[in-house]
Amino acid sequence: AQSVAQPEDQVNVAEGNPLTVKCTYSVSGNPYLFWYVQYPNRGLQFLLKYITGDNLVKGSYGFEAEFNKSQTSFHLKKPSALVSDSALYFCAVRDRGSYIPTFGRGTSLIVHP
Amino acid sequence: EPEVTQTPSHQVTQMGQEVILRCVPISNHLYFYWYRQILGQKVEFLVSFYNNEISEKSEIFDDQFSVERPDGSNFTLKIRSTKLEDSAMYFCASSDQGQGDNEQFFGPGTRLTVL
Repeated sequence: AQSVAQPEDQVNVAEGNPLTVKCTYSVSGNPYLFWYVQYPNRGLQFLLKYITGDNLVKGSYGFEAEFNKSQTSFHLKKPSALVSDSALYFCAVRDRGSYIPTFGRGTSLIVHP
Repeated sequence: EPEVTQTPSHQVTQMGQEVILRCVPISNHLYFYWYRQILGQKVEFLVSFYNNEISEKSEIFDDQFSVERPDGSNFTLKIRSTKLEDSAMYFCASSDQGQGDNEQFFGPGTRLTVL
């Protein structure tokens, strides 16, 4: 079985400050890990993924995520937040034997001017 | 940039009525999916579809649900007799491959409200 936890319902950060959106996962084997973003009235948009290799993955819009196998975490980060980053962020995990991801509940990111 | 589209954006129906949610996946994709998100809860997998048949489905996808690809472009989710607890956001997704590290592309969703 696979599962994802996003422990924060909401993250507030000031524009220009670094941001972190947390995600931990559980899978039986090696995971594929994904981050998606959802803007109002839009579908889930792919941000980045971890498959193998470097633990630090870079994605769209300046976001990056760090895979930490010992802590089973895949936190999303950005060095300098923008107001336009305000959205709902979903972490997802997929066991390599499956093509069905399990999503977290989502974290609402609010970036204040 | 190609995208997945869904219609309608919002559907209101009475309990017991049938609804059909429509999706147009990205044209060269071969794998199709439906997910739902009850307000404030996780995005949940419902069903995947490939080569004109269901390849995987979750416990949620019971006999009240069915999927169909009636033509070369549309992918539909039918709920035969809606219940109050079917009220949710329904997302369609597509991908060009099933397994592997490919990502799924999601539509904007249909908000279903069952009264």
